[in-house]
Amino acid sequence: ETGVTQTPRHLVMGMTNKKSLKCEQHLGHNAMYWYKQSAKKPLELMFVYSLEERVENNSVPSRFSPECPNSSHLFLHLHTLQPEDSALYLCASSQGGSGGVETQYFGPGTRLLVL
Amino acid sequence: GQNIDQPTEMTATEGAIVQINCTYQTSGFNGLFWYQQHAGEAPTFLSYNVLDGLEEKGRFSSFLSRSKGYSYLLLKELQMKDSASYLCAVKDSNYQLIWGAGTKLIIKP
Repeated sequence: ETGVTQTPRHLVMGMTNKKSLKCEQHLGHNAMYWYKQSAKKPLELMFVYSLEERVENNSVPSRFSPECPNSSHLFLHLHTLQPEDSALYLCASSQGGSGGVETQYFGPGTRLLVL
Repeated sequence: GQNIDQPTEMTATEGAIVQINCTYQTSGFNGLFWYQQHAGEAPTFLSYNVLDGLEEKGRFSSFLSRSKGYSYLLLKELQMKDSASYLCAVKDSNYQLIWGAGTKLIIKP
């Protein structure tokens, strides 16, 4: 067990739906990340939170909205998604801030299908 | 631009040895990571190299040559459970992780 959990594990939604992905880490880490993983493509970093403050937003469309209420929880709110947003969404955490060489530990991901 | 290259897919036989290569071109270097990812599961950390040379950890070893921008992951005594994707990632000068697309390793009996 990596100590990072994600719910739901699978999600099917229409383009007009609103849903949220949840991530929780039990490792006492200070940084949390959202990644998008599409087939045969490198992991795409979407958002980084360090000490509960967002430190990076890699030009992600506004239909994705992150929320980090505390250092153990991270949410990704989804609204009016497109079919090309279908992918595996991975959450990760690391000790210390995001500006170091600390290892990232991943959750199992949410498999999202947008119809 | 920044780039990580690794083979898309490799096949090996149970009990054999396989080497998965990774070449990188990044703005600066602050370490290279290898992760294993079974289908439908979380990527799990395997190794971290920041200095040149070979790091051995049981059946898995990872090698780094910073001058060549090159690393490999060596898996010995392959087992069926080693069938997975292996992800190479480099931390650049801004400590941002740059990821390769992963190598899918298929183990045959």
